[in-house]
Amino acid sequence: QKEVEQNSGPLSVPEGAIASLNCTYSDRGSQSFFWYRQYSGKSPELIMFIYSNGDKEDGRFTAQLNKASQYVSLLIRDSQPSDSATYLCAVNMESGGYQKVTFGTGTKLQVIP
Amino acid sequence: KAGVTQTPRYLIKTRGQQVTLSCSPISGHRSVSWYQQTPGQGLQFLFEYFSETQRNKGNFPGRFSGRQFSNSRSEMNVSTLELGDSALYLCASSLDVKGDLSPWAGYGYTFGSGTRLTVV
Repeated sequence: QKEVEQNSGPLSVPEGAIASLNCTYSDRGSQSFFWYRQYSGKSPELIMFIYSNGDKEDGRFTAQLNKASQYVSLLIRDSQPSDSATYLCAVNMESGGYQKVTFGTGTKLQVIP
Repeated sequence: KAGVTQTPRYLIKTRGQQVTLSCSPISGHRSVSWYQQTPGQGLQFLFEYFSETQRNKGNFPGRFSGRQFSNSRSEMNVSTLELGDSALYLCASSLDVKGDLSPWAGYGYTFGSGTRLTVV
């Protein structure tokens, strides 16, 4: 079982719709979770961080965390063609007394105009 | 504010050679992590340095090594290059002031532009 799993996609949504990206993780002790966006040919950039169960909203983005189900998701409202990118889920896991960030392989999102 | 600087941007090396990649983190960031990114495997953790000490290491062979200097700049070295080492190598810096990565701190990464290594 992979430590952090994401559906590779592509996930296609029409412009203006809600895009829902999902991520599951294996380590129950994981405490903080990140979403990164990576445009083709570019480096990942941090867009959301969450550590408490529930929802966290930032503009058009909402991160949702359910530690009991070991599940974190990212909702993008009013999707725009500029949101087309690969979205990476990252999880802070304890390793050797320190924390190590493990990434999923990413979900490719395509927003159709 | 300067971002994370990685040099060189592109490298072409022959099998068996060695290579050194450099990373200068954001000023004030003491944590530097290295990742290998390939289309099939995604981002794979190599190692993380904090105040010149390696705190964590991924599951890569000993041919992969790194170090961090007192000014937080970091280098990674790959010896005896193999074709499978062809990848994008990303450096990420983090404002981990206390060194404990408190979960509520939200110390996310800022990535450099990466070094694209091609082994032929």
